[in-house]
Amino acid sequence: GAVVSQHPSWVICKSGTSVKIECRSLDFQATTMFWYRQFPKQSLMLMATSNEGSKATYEQGVEKDKFLINHASLTLSTLTVTSAHPEDSSFYICSGTGAMGFLGSEQFFGPGTRLTVL
Amino acid sequence: GDSVTQMEGPVTLSEEAFLTINCTYTATGYPSLFWYVQYPGEGLQLLLKATKADDKGSNKGFEATYRKETTSFHLEKGSVQVSDSAVYFCALKKGAQKLVFGQGTRLTINP
Repeated sequence: GAVVSQHPSWVICKSGTSVKIECRSLDFQATTMFWYRQFPKQSLMLMATSNEGSKATYEQGVEKDKFLINHASLTLSTLTVTSAHPEDSSFYICSGTGAMGFLGSEQFFGPGTRLTVL
Repeated sequence: GDSVTQMEGPVTLSEEAFLTINCTYTATGYPSLFWYVQYPGEGLQLLLKATKADDKGSNKGFEATYRKETTSFHLEKGSVQVSDSAVYFCALKKGAQKLVFGQGTRLTINP
């Protein structure tokens, strides 16, 4: 299957600072990328969906001004957690899909980024 | 709304044991059903899927049958290996809508 990477895999930051997480599709062009959040022993919760070159669509209850998503190219999406607070500590996972008909509509997932806000 | 419920983990088995991880769903319409696996340090990978009632998905010795009458999609494997140790997620999806995941089940296989 296709490969998606995330960087960093683990980050610790101070409360009030901003953190950027990168998600890259390494061997395919991801026309759509998804960002998920996972709390311990809970399922993945979709935060937002972004199409390349368009503004992200956020799920209900997700603050778009706090979780800034950029999908400027077909191989890179970034999630910036602005003014992070301890309650933002979580495991963030991205995934991507190719154009319809290419790789089907299967989502390919990154390995996740663990964010800890002190 | 639509939801997926998996058996609580962690599940610990000995090598060559029979595995069942239960998954039930609540959804209107006719969702497609999926099992994803996440090995340590890696992203979720699609393990198998079924798109309509009575379909059986299979891969790497794992199987799951789409049972509409019981709204279930239980994952089974006849003889597990240490390399099957991972977290397993059941999920559903309707058309172009988003994937809805269960909470995941951590499986540990001891030699």
